[in-house]
Amino acid sequence: GAGVSQSPRYKVAKRGQDVALRCDPISGHVSLFWYQQALGQGPEFLTYFQNEAQLDKSGLPSDRFFAERPEGSVSTLKIQRTQQEDSAVYLCASMRGSEQYFGPGTRLTVT
Amino acid sequence: QKEVEQNSGPLSVPEGAIASLNCTYSDRGSQSFFWYRQYSGKSPELIMFIYSNGDKEDGRFTAQLNKASQYVSLLIRDSQPSDSATYLCAVHLFNAGGTSYGKLTFGQGTILTVHP
Repeated sequence: GAGVSQSPRYKVAKRGQDVALRCDPISGHVSLFWYQQALGQGPEFLTYFQNEAQLDKSGLPSDRFFAERPEGSVSTLKIQRTQQEDSAVYLCASMRGSEQYFGPGTRLTVT
Repeated sequence: QKEVEQNSGPLSVPEGAIASLNCTYSDRGSQSFFWYRQYSGKSPELIMFIYSNGDKEDGRFTAQLNKASQYVSLLIRDSQPSDSATYLCAVHLFNAGGTSYGKLTFGQGTILTVHP
């Protein structure tokens, strides 16, 4: 496909479980971002990759959050020991020039 | 004070009217400004962006920047019911060294409803 894809689209996790969220950026896009969007709020920056290098992880809310992009294409956001406050939509975006293109997001619900 | 602020609305306008959406930002180092549209349950979709040196018009949409007052606006002419969505303003800051990689800071969004 031509756009950013994310999987799974929906994830329900019990509190304390680990989850892994996948992002497939647009082919050839070097820059990749993860954002977290709570209900009724705008997206908030989590982390940024340029190719395989994670150049900014200042937005990750705790050390339970970990992201990687080992081959410079697909990225995975992992959340360990999920908590209820982690419930949100996790958006991935890839960028060309100044324009960021968002994937459909993964809606995570922690019960 | 939040870095990017928007009135959450909802803003309701009749079909065919001009919808005016505003966004204020706190950092004078902001260099480019983005407007995204987000339909309920969908991801943000880029409408347009402007740099700090000027306004832009694209079809029914116009983005305007007032640097002195630190606000950016989006005007939607001839509003249609299909324009009903949440409009997100985002700001791109440069780092202290004058470089940037594109990190966006978003406002909370304004809900726009266009009624027939």
